[in-house]
Amino acid sequence: KQEVTQIPAALSVPEGENLVLNCSFTDSAIYNLQWFRQDPGKGLTSLLLIQSSQREQTSGRLNASLDKSSGRSTLYIAASQPGDSATYLCATSPGAGSYQLTFGKGTKLSVIP
Amino acid sequence: NAGVTQTPKFRVLKTGQSMTLLCAQDMNHEYMYWYRQDPGMGLRLIHYSVGEGTTAKGEVPDGYNVSRLKKQNFLLGLESAAPSQTSVYFCASSFLSWSAGGRDKRQSEQFFGPGTRLTVL
Repeated sequence: KQEVTQIPAALSVPEGENLVLNCSFTDSAIYNLQWFRQDPGKGLTSLLLIQSSQREQTSGRLNASLDKSSGRSTLYIAASQPGDSATYLCATSPGAGSYQLTFGKGTKLSVIP
Repeated sequence: NAGVTQTPKFRVLKTGQSMTLLCAQDMNHEYMYWYRQDPGMGLRLIHYSVGEGTTAKGEVPDGYNVSRLKKQNFLLGLESAAPSQTSVYFCASSFLSWSAGGRDKRQSEQFFGPGTRLTVL
């Protein structure tokens, strides 16, 4: 059974700092990996989706990388802003015919002005 | 486009009562999902649907039923609510699209609704 782990559970950084959020998974046979953002009391917003054949995806100040062989993904946030404060979740999909995402428990990010 | 909407936003039930949560999407997506989110447990898939008239069980289906009579709607039912079903429920949808090379179809990201906070007393 796939297990997805996100460490640390919480992170606090000063505004302007570049930071990396980590996601590890136990089964490397994934179809894709997604990074989501969740604001308090809100739903999830998809940030980046990396297919298993890709190494990274970029959107604005966000860059997500994927290393299937080591079971790791990282989300890099450049020049962090207070508006980036949220919980970030990663989730893996096991196969093209399976729709059961396995989520990590998230990293709660606080960017201090 | 409204995206994915959920009704109601909040609900309090007594043990044994029944209710239906409604999810609607206006993006013409084929796939729809119901998740629950609990502190310390993360998000877990309850049921999902790969098209109108189809449903399938996810990781934690017990105590819930679903129906997908129309492509745009996915209903989650609790026949006899229990305190263990106190949670935040999220609906999501996704679609398949052709890859850049046109050789295979790829699953899109999942688009989530705002959630329904349910308390069972």
